[in-house]
Amino acid sequence: DAGVIQSPRHEVTEMGQEVTLRCKPISGHDYLFWYRQTMMRGLELLIYFNNNVPIDDSGMPEDRFSAKMPNASFSTLKIQPSEPRDSAVYFCASSLGVPEQFFGPGTRLTVL
Amino acid sequence: RKEVEQDPGPFNVPEGATVAFNCTYSNSASQSFFWYRQDCRKEPKLLMSVYSSGNEDGRFTAQLNRASQYISLLIRDSKLSDSATYLCVVNTGFQKLVFGTGTRLLVSP
Repeated sequence: DAGVIQSPRHEVTEMGQEVTLRCKPISGHDYLFWYRQTMMRGLELLIYFNNNVPIDDSGMPEDRFSAKMPNASFSTLKIQPSEPRDSAVYFCASSLGVPEQFFGPGTRLTVL
Repeated sequence: RKEVEQDPGPFNVPEGATVAFNCTYSNSASQSFFWYRQDCRKEPKLLMSVYSSGNEDGRFTAQLNRASQYISLLIRDSKLSDSATYLCVVNTGFQKLVFGTGTRLLVSP
């Protein structure tokens, strides 16, 4: 079975550019989560969806970040404009509910 | 104060050793607790849930002390393949998981 799929796996961009990260959750899962991981802050929840509806976006750092889930099989996280401090690994995860969230391989973002 | 605190390590142990990790959490209303494992440059994966009565899965034992807001993970007979970062995770409600920054374990031959 395919797990959570994320693309791209690596992204290098320049400050000010728009970045779009993509996620395909596991089929049948009704929760989708976006996390950001850095050495200093660890794994932080940015936003999560239930049945394609955003439930809690309190972790989204600022207006430069936005996330959408147009259907049950696709979600995007967009950063516009990007800044060097956005450099991190971004994980998407899906689940049927706590406890087990299944994580994708992550997107390693570097903003120069 | 962080919601979930862990000693970052690294813990360097020889194969066959027993090692224990601890974690404290600040939200007394937290509902459920877990340990996740993360290999270098990989995604986190659920290792085990943690119950008040304690639970064991092979060489791994997890304990929860709600009064002290403390969670532990014990690994017996360490293997080289146990080398990873162990993340203490707390469910604060409404599907939200709060992750500790992890404890790194290095098992050497």
